[in-house]
Amino acid sequence: SQQGEEDPQALSIQEGENATMNCSYKTSINNLQWYRQNSGRGLVHLILIRSNEREKHSGRLRVTLDTSKKSSSLLITASRAADTASYFCATEGTSYDKVIFGPGTSLSVIP
Amino acid sequence: SAVISQKPSRDICQRGTSLTIQCQVDSQVTMMFWYRQQPGQSLTLIATANQGSEATYESGFVIDKFPISRPNLTFSTLTVSNMSPEDSSIYLCSVGQYNQPQHFGDGTRLSIL
Repeated sequence: SQQGEEDPQALSIQEGENATMNCSYKTSINNLQWYRQNSGRGLVHLILIRSNEREKHSGRLRVTLDTSKKSSSLLITASRAADTASYFCATEGTSYDKVIFGPGTSLSVIP
Repeated sequence: SAVISQKPSRDICQRGTSLTIQCQVDSQVTMMFWYRQQPGQSLTLIATANQGSEATYESGFVIDKFPISRPNLTFSTLTVSNMSPEDSSIYLCSVGQYNQPQHFGDGTRLSIL
């Protein structure tokens, strides 16, 4: 299997705090993507980081990628109640043919 | 980015029946993907549907159970055949190109009684 683990499985924080989610994978990748899903709806793409990149920012989101450790992290700063959702990392392998999802982290932000 | 419409958005079906889910994209795309998301779980890739060729199924999924059509570059269908309660899931289609984000439809919530 191409995909590994995400941790934590569930995270509960107070509004205004930072949330960090981690993702590990097993094989070489072309890129790693982070998605958000609210209440079982369709997924929303957050950030794509390519294998030759180490860090990417988008608003309150910061993603890092360490290909030597086959791991990535997603940091959400100054969290809001609206950030409550499930977050998934997904990897595209070097054969470019499909994207495989990790198990996800359920984030609850308490107002 | 591509806009994807899925139909139906939800359905309740009797065991033993089949349901066809439609996925329409507002632009021509080469690769379309079908995922299953069981309750409380992550997404599992069912198959990749490329126009003009047979779908490529992932391990654990077979064409007899999940036949897929891809008649043109903007449309695909997934049929869930001979349904059982274990097939109760959200089914999602997505489109994507290599090294680009995937775009998802809102999914089809399927419940089997």
